[in-house]
Amino acid sequence: QKEVEQNSGPLSVPEGAIASLNCTYSDRGSQSFFWYRQYSGKSPELIMFIYSNGDKEDGRFTAQLNKASQYVSLLIRDSQPSDSATYLCALYTGRRALTFGSGTRLQVQP
Amino acid sequence: DAGVIQSPRHEVTEMGQEVTLRCKPISGHDYLFWYRQTMMRGLELLIYFNNNVPIDDSGMPEDRFSAKMPNASFSTLKIQPSEPRDSAVYFCASSSGLPYGYTFGSGTRLTVV
Repeated sequence: QKEVEQNSGPLSVPEGAIASLNCTYSDRGSQSFFWYRQYSGKSPELIMFIYSNGDKEDGRFTAQLNKASQYVSLLIRDSQPSDSATYLCALYTGRRALTFGSGTRLQVQP
Repeated sequence: DAGVIQSPRHEVTEMGQEVTLRCKPISGHDYLFWYRQTMMRGLELLIYFNNNVPIDDSGMPEDRFSAKMPNASFSTLKIQPSEPRDSAVYFCASSSGLPYGYTFGSGTRLTVV
């Protein structure tokens, strides 16, 4: 079982809709969770992090963490074509550096 | 702050040649990471340093790979000899701590022919 699992997509949503990206993880000791956005040909860029169960909102982005079910999600409200990118989930288990999922490609259709 | 600076941006080399990738972390960041990204394997940690000391090199593929950090503002990743399967994008990242978000450089796209 991979440490971090994401559906590769592509996830296609119309402009203005809510995009929901999901990530599951295997290590129950994971302590902190991150969402990175990576545009094609560019480097990963940190957009959200969450440490505690529940929701964390930042502008159009909401991260949700459920440690009991071992999943973390990212909601993007009012999706824009400029949100089209690959979204990487990463986590810190307390033992080594961040482990990344393989990413979900999001396409926002105008 | 100029962010994490990597060079070169692109490198094309012949199999068997030595390749050196360079990285300047963000000033004040105590942690420096080297990751490699491929379509097949995603983003993989190769090695990381804390205060210029290598802490975890378990991700380094084999002896052909070596990394150094002679001071707080410079690190190198060397591949000798290079092979076609080393073709990937190599990212350097830095952070003020392991559990915190990392800032990535622009990456070096390596092609070994």
